[in-house]
Amino acid sequence: DGGITQSPKYLFRKEGQNVTLSCEQNLNHDAMYWYRQDPGQGLRLIYYSQIVNDFQKGDIAEGYSVSREKKESFPLTVTSAQKNPTAFYLCASSPRGDSNQPQHFGDGTRLSIL
Amino acid sequence: AQKVTQAQTEISVVEKEDVTLDCVYETRDTTYYLFWYKQPPSGELVFLIRRNSFDEQNEISGRYSWNFQKSTSSFNFTITASQVVDSAVYFCALSEVGRTDSWGKFQFGAGTQVVVTP
Repeated sequence: DGGITQSPKYLFRKEGQNVTLSCEQNLNHDAMYWYRQDPGQGLRLIYYSQIVNDFQKGDIAEGYSVSREKKESFPLTVTSAQKNPTAFYLCASSPRGDSNQPQHFGDGTRLSIL
Repeated sequence: AQKVTQAQTEISVVEKEDVTLDCVYETRDTTYYLFWYKQPPSGELVFLIRRNSFDEQNEISGRYSWNFQKSTSSFNFTITASQVVDSAVYFCALSEVGRTDSWGKFQFGAGTQVVVTP
């Protein structure tokens, strides 16, 4: 079945450590997105990519980095510069980066600080 | 500035009651899209409906219905005869077309937690 796979489901980070969250899609979608969800808040956009080898910062990009070397993959690195990384991270994709396209979401990765 | 406001943080109902979730949005664009998503405890957001700014027809899908009113910038969602499986967080989202820097980007509301008890 087509869909979006995020891994791992749970991740723990030590102080000063970079960690990478995986997001893979087999929907043949051009656009991919990373969101952060905190309790009681909506989803906030971290980075998005409308096409391979191109990506843009979202509203809260500081302390995060991404790459888009393959159409199906959009990994997110949470760097040590992100001082409050504990959150639920959701990856999404859409057929194109159009405003009218529903985004399809993965199951998320919950990141915690050790 | 918050572009999508879901003022209800949590709504608790007993099974079979109706529940209405409010969504108020703010935009200067004449062309935009509104979405509703459901987030069950598993965490994945499930797409429910999309509505464009030129289509004010209300829509019904089974026990779900949506009321879009441009005059009040609202896109409310009603679950009729609620069931325990409806327990989830529901998000309203806005996608604007007019500006290049907002193209394809969603603005989500804070979400409304719906709790349906037997």
